[in-house]
Amino acid sequence: AQSVTQPDIHITVSEGASLELRCNYSYGATPYLFWYVQSPGQGLQLLLKYFSGDTLVQGIKGFEAEFKRSQSSFNLRKPSVHWSDAAEYFCAVGAGANAGKSTFGDGTTLTVKP
Amino acid sequence: DAGVIQSPRHEVTEMGQEVTLRCKPISGHDYLFWYRQTMMRGLELLIYFNNNVPIDDSGMPEDRFSAKMPNASFSTLKIQPSEPRDSAVYFCASREGQGYTGELFFGEGSRLTVL
Repeated sequence: AQSVTQPDIHITVSEGASLELRCNYSYGATPYLFWYVQSPGQGLQLLLKYFSGDTLVQGIKGFEAEFKRSQSSFNLRKPSVHWSDAAEYFCAVGAGANAGKSTFGDGTTLTVKP
Repeated sequence: DAGVIQSPRHEVTEMGQEVTLRCKPISGHDYLFWYRQTMMRGLELLIYFNNNVPIDDSGMPEDRFSAKMPNASFSTLKIQPSEPRDSAVYFCASREGQGYTGELFFGEGSRLTVL
C-alpha cells in the first residue's frame, strides 16, 4: 500500500529565508509524486509533479522538489520565501493511470514571519 | 475552462436535515473524487468515480452518506440525516484518465456547518 509522511506539522520561516518541506513516501514501484498548496479558503492547487526523467523538478511560484529514490523522499524547496507563500502544503503519491486514487500526506502549515 | 465547480460554497443546516453538495468536473476528465477536510482528520478520500462508475467508496463514513454521478458532467454527495460531526469542507476533484500525468484539479470546496 502506498503512504506519504510529512514529518513537520507546522513550520515558521522569516520572509526571504530559504524553505524546505519534507516528504517521505512508501510505494513499491516508481511513484508519481506531487506537491499541492492550499491557501486559506481555497482548494488545493498543484505546485509541481514528478513521474519520470530529471529528478529535480521545477514548479510554479519558484518552488522546486527533488526526488531521491534511495531516501524515498520528495522534499519541496524554495530559496527565498515570500509572505504570500504562507499556506498549507500537501505531498501526494499517485500510483499511475489505472490505479485511481492518490494518497495525501497530512500537510505542513507554513507561517512566514515579516 | 472554468475548472471544477462546486456548489454551494457554504451551507449551514440543522442536525437531521438533508444536505446535497454538487460538483461539475472539468470537461473530458474521466475521474471524479470527493474529499472531506477537517482539522482533526485532515484530507480524507470519501469516494471516487471512473467514467461515472463508483470505484472505491471505502472512505464513506456510514450509510448516511451517498454519492452519485448520473453523467460525466455532474456529481452529488448527499448526507441524510446530517449530524454536527459532518461539519467539514468537502472538496470535489477531477483528473484525466488516458494520457495520465496524475494531477488532480480541485474545486474551491463546500463548507458545511451542521448545528
